Amino acid sequence: KAGVTQTPRYLIKTRGQQVTLSCSPISGHRSVSWYQQTPGQGLQFLFEYFSETQRNKGNFPGRFSGRQFSNSRSEMNVSTLELGDSALYLCASSLPGGNLGTMNTEAFFGQGTRLTVV
Amino acid sequence: KNQVEQSPQSLIILEGKNCTLQCNYTVSPFSNLRWYKQDTGRGPVSLTIMTFSENTKSNGRYTATLDADTKQSSLHITASQLSDSASYICVVIQYSGGYQKVTFGIGTKLQVIP
Repeated sequence: KAGVTQTPRYLIKTRGQQVTLSCSPISGHRSVSWYQQTPGQGLQFLFEYFSETQRNKGNFPGRFSGRQFSNSRSEMNVSTLELGDSALYLCASSLPGGNLGTMNTEAFFGQGTRLTVV
Repeated sequence: KNQVEQSPQSLIILEGKNCTLQCNYTVSPFSNLRWYKQDTGRGPVSLTIMTFSENTKSNGRYTATLDADTKQSSLHITASQLSDSASYICVVIQYSGGYQKVTFGIGTKLQVIP
C-alpha cells in the first residue's frame, strides 16, 4: 500500500508570492491534517480536513488555507508569503479519528514539502 | 512557555549505549501521549502511544514511561544503533468538543556515533 505522498518535495518562492502544496493520503484514509515544522517552534497544527470539510483549525493567519477533494487528496495554499513561512510542511492521513488518528487507527505522515521563502 | 518541554535538546551517544529522553508537560487533562521518531528529511513515525492511565509501553528497543502525577514521560532507548540517529518528538493529545488538540514538544535530536 502506497504511503502518504506530498508534492513538491522542495520549493523556493519569493516574498509576496503564493504557493500551493499537495498531499495524497493513503488509500482509504479520509482525514488529512497539515502541520508546519520550524526549528524554533517545532511542529504546529494548521488544519484538518475530512470529507471535503475543514473540521479543525490551528492558530494560523488567514493567509494559510486548504481544501480537500472528493478523492481525499488535499491542497494547502499560502498567500502573500513571508520570510517566516519558510518551513517543512507535513501532512498526515488517517481513517476518521482526527489529526493524529485514534489509539487504534493512527495517522501516517508524508515526507513533507520544504518551502524556502527568499 | 511551551506546554510540552523536552530535554535534552540534543544528545550524542556511542553505539550500543542506552539513553533516556525526557518530556515534561503541563497539558491537563489529556487523552494520550505519544512519542514519534523523525529521521532527517522524513515525516515523523509513531513509536508509542500511551493513555493517561498507562505507565509503560514498549516497541522493540524503545520503552516509554508515563507518570501522570509528576506530568513526566520518558523514552528509553536500549542498545542504541546508528539508525536511531533522529529527532524524537513528544506529543500530548487532548479532546475538546469532539476535536483533537495536539501539542508537540520541540524534540530531542539524538546522534549515535560508532
